[in-house]
Amino acid sequence: EVQLVQSGAEVKKPGESLKISCQVSGYRFTSYWIGWVRQMPGKGLEWMGIIYPGDSDTRYSPSFQGQVTISADKSISTAYLQWSSLKASDTAMYYCARLKVGDDSGWFDPWGQGTLVTVSS
Amino acid sequence: QSALTQPASVSGSPGQSITISCTGTSSDVGSYNFVSWYQQHPGKAPRLMIYEGSKRPSGVSNRFSGSKSGNTASLTISGLQAEDEADYYCCSFAGSSTYYVFGTGTKVTVL
Repeated sequence: EVQLVQSGAEVKKPGESLKISCQVSGYRFTSYWIGWVRQMPGKGLEWMGIIYPGDSDTRYSPSFQGQVTISADKSISTAYLQWSSLKASDTAMYYCARLKVGDDSGWFDPWGQGTLVTVSS
Repeated sequence: QSALTQPASVSGSPGQSITISCTGTSSDVGSYNFVSWYQQHPGKAPRLMIYEGSKRPSGVSNRFSGSKSGNTASLTISGLQAEDEADYYCCSFAGSSTYYVFGTGTKVTVL
């Protein structure tokens, strides 16, 4: 069974750094892209970026380029999303999901359970 | 890159059919053949319902179907059931600079 298990909820102060994780099992980690999606409180889904763990090729949404860093550790089948200096506006639920790619298409399946990040002074 | 446009809400009675639209541009939905759709119940992670425009993953009811015309994709739920009450999002590939874009989301209410 393919599973993506995310790290637990975090409460941080503005200006602090943070790295959340997404550990996968049930398939070859290096063979599929992994994506990150933000959902702010009461709002919709926003695509942040993707990484191909096989060669660490990373692509970012223009909205998130320079704001976050996506990485992966092949040795432990884990993808990461990190911030160097959090802002209150980073408060959101963050999901990871496996990206399957077809001709001119891609779809996210399955999804992790989500990591709630709260940034408050 | 702006989000794809979906109606904020759609409602229907049990047994009825409803359709959710997802309108993009010639840079996303109109240029690439396949949109995916996701269902999200409150407090839960999204779940893939339709991929490559009209294909259903294993375990998804055949009451869910997808289609596309021009810059607009659609998700139809037939034989509406109480368990279908949730938020629904479309998603399209949008080229090699933006990559992926989600829709604004639609809240489906079963009356």
